[in-house]
Amino acid sequence: DAGVIQSPRHEVTEMGQEVTLRCKPISGHDYLFWYRQTMMRGLELLIYFNNNVPIDDSGMPEDRFSAKMPNASFSTLKIQPSEPRDSAVYFCASSRTGFGEQYFGPGTRLTVT
Amino acid sequence: QQQVKQSPQSLIVQKGGISIINCAYENTAFDYFPWYQQFPGKGPALLIAIRPDVSEKKEGRFTISFNKSAKQFSLHIMDSQPGDSATYFCAASDAGKSTFGDGTTLTVKP
Repeated sequence: DAGVIQSPRHEVTEMGQEVTLRCKPISGHDYLFWYRQTMMRGLELLIYFNNNVPIDDSGMPEDRFSAKMPNASFSTLKIQPSEPRDSAVYFCASSRTGFGEQYFGPGTRLTVT
Repeated sequence: QQQVKQSPQSLIVQKGGISIINCAYENTAFDYFPWYQQFPGKGPALLIAIRPDVSEKKEGRFTISFNKSAKQFSLHIMDSQPGDSATYFCAASDAGKSTFGDGTTLTVKP
């Protein structure tokens, strides 16, 4: 299996622009998680899905952030408009059951100037 | 509210020594306690995990000790190697939702 796939790996954008991060979970995994990692705040859970349905989005920082999972093999995290404080590494992870280990993707390093 | 407290923030150990990282939690509903290892530029990867019905789990050089009454768990790395140098995160999960500690940067000196 190829593991969790994220794209792009790096994204540099200007403040105010829309940013879309993409994730392909491991086939057969019913849970998908979006995390943000920064030096200041560590690893934060933003939102997670079960069977393509958002279960808990309490970690989404603001209305500028939105996430979708249109099917079992694809999810997006969108930031509109982006701000410099959104600069971070964003990870997608998937899990077979939601009660066990999570498999993380390589992350997308976002820089907003 | 910080639900999982991890210490120390950084740790330096000589090759062959024992590395110990500690975590404490507050939410008694947590039912799964994994440890993740992260190398620079990579995503976290599961190292070892434990459920609260056991007090210890060992996999190779890595051992988790779990104290349910104290709400604490720790990672022990025996015979630490330079290749173990990484950031380690503890986590605690409740119904699939994980809360991570702040991480410990481990440096193993040759």
